[in-house]
Order: sequence, then C-alpha cells, then structure tokens
Amino acid sequence: EPEVTQTPSHQVTQMGQEVILRCVPISNHLYFYWYRQILGQKVEFLVSFYNNEISEKSEIFDDQFSVERPDGSNFTLKIRSTKLEDSAMYFCASSGQNSYEQYFGPGTRLTVT
Amino acid sequence: SQQGEEDPQALSIQEGENATMNCSYKTSINNLQWYRQNSGRGLVHLILIRSNEREKHSGRLRVTLDTSKKSSSLLITASRAADTASYFCATAPNTGGFKTIFGAGTRLFVKA
Repeated sequence: EPEVTQTPSHQVTQMGQEVILRCVPISNHLYFYWYRQILGQKVEFLVSFYNNEISEKSEIFDDQFSVERPDGSNFTLKIRSTKLEDSAMYFCASSGQNSYEQYFGPGTRLTVT
Repeated sequence: SQQGEEDPQALSIQEGENATMNCSYKTSINNLQWYRQNSGRGLVHLILIRSNEREKHSGRLRVTLDTSKKSSSLLITASRAADTASYFCATAPNTGGFKTIFGAGTRLFVKA
C-alpha cells in the first residue's frame, strides 16, 4: 500500500539554525500539506501546496517558513532560523484530486535546543 | 475561535464495550473527518462524512453528523485493546480549500 514517508524521523538543531524537513508524498497525489503538533497539543495546519504553489497557509506559517517541491517526488519544509518554540512533531500529508482524505506521514520530531 | 473540540478529553473502557466520542465545531463545513493517532505516531484517516450526510458506517465505526448543532460523534463498537489511541475530529471549512482543522482529541484507553 502506498504511503507518505518523512525524513529524518528525529532532528536536533540549535536555535538560529536552518532545518529542512523532507517528505515523499504518495506518487499520484496532487495536494501536499504540512502540519505540526507541539507535544501534548492539537495538530495545527501550517500550509497546503498545489500546482507548485502555496494554496493556503496559517498564521503560524510566517516568513521563517518555506515549502518547496524541488523535483517530482520530494516536498520539503524549511525553517530558516529555528526558535525554541519550533520544537514539535511535523507531519506531512498528501491527498488526491478533489479529495479531502489526507494520508499522513509518520512525522519528524524537531527538537530545538 | 476553536474548531473541532472533542469530548471527553479522555475515556477509559473495558474491552468489548462501546466507546463514544463527540466533536463540536463552530463554522460552516464541507465535511468532517475522524483520525486516529497512536502514541508518537502519524495520523490515520478513519472516516469522512460530508455535510449533507447524517450517518456513516465503516466496520466497527459509526459516525453521525448534525450540522444544525454543529456536532459529530464517533462510536467504536466492541472495542479492543488495539483501539487504544487518540482520536481527532477534523473539519474542512466551507471556504473552498483543502485546509483541515483538527480538534484537541480524545484519548481512548481500552483495558484488556
């Protein structure tokens, strides 16, 4: 069964450093998403991406964040200058044409020290 | 404002019992979905119910939607220890995008 994969599973970085979180969505999906979940809290929408551009973003997704689909398979989330409060699980998801059913990856745990 | 608030926050039942979780939301929606998350893992899509549907079944899962009350319920029948997880409702606002807003979740513990 096709699945969304994410790398790395755990990333530790120092405050102020840039990080890139990587995702490989399901191959025939067209919509891609990033969410984050701070420990013990709800899953929060960050951004959705379609047709090589951002379709929606939340207020969390400020200038420190960017997304990119550099080739036909990867979908990345970059945090330019990490802050302590960026520590969270980051989930990538994808969905097919006209589908709200999103398939989630296993997540990347980001720890900013 | 909060969208997709579940109750109870935590539920502990015996194996074989039914588990009911509720979700309320505030804005107009296109659909409502339920997801499961095992501890420290990703989210698994369980079921989607559209705004023009009132009830939907999938195996041991039964979901209801009352758009007049802006609420939904998830019933898991004949629960098993493997159903132990957090359950989240997620709404897709009727704004034309595919953005999904998650609630805080219900932590279900099924005792063997």
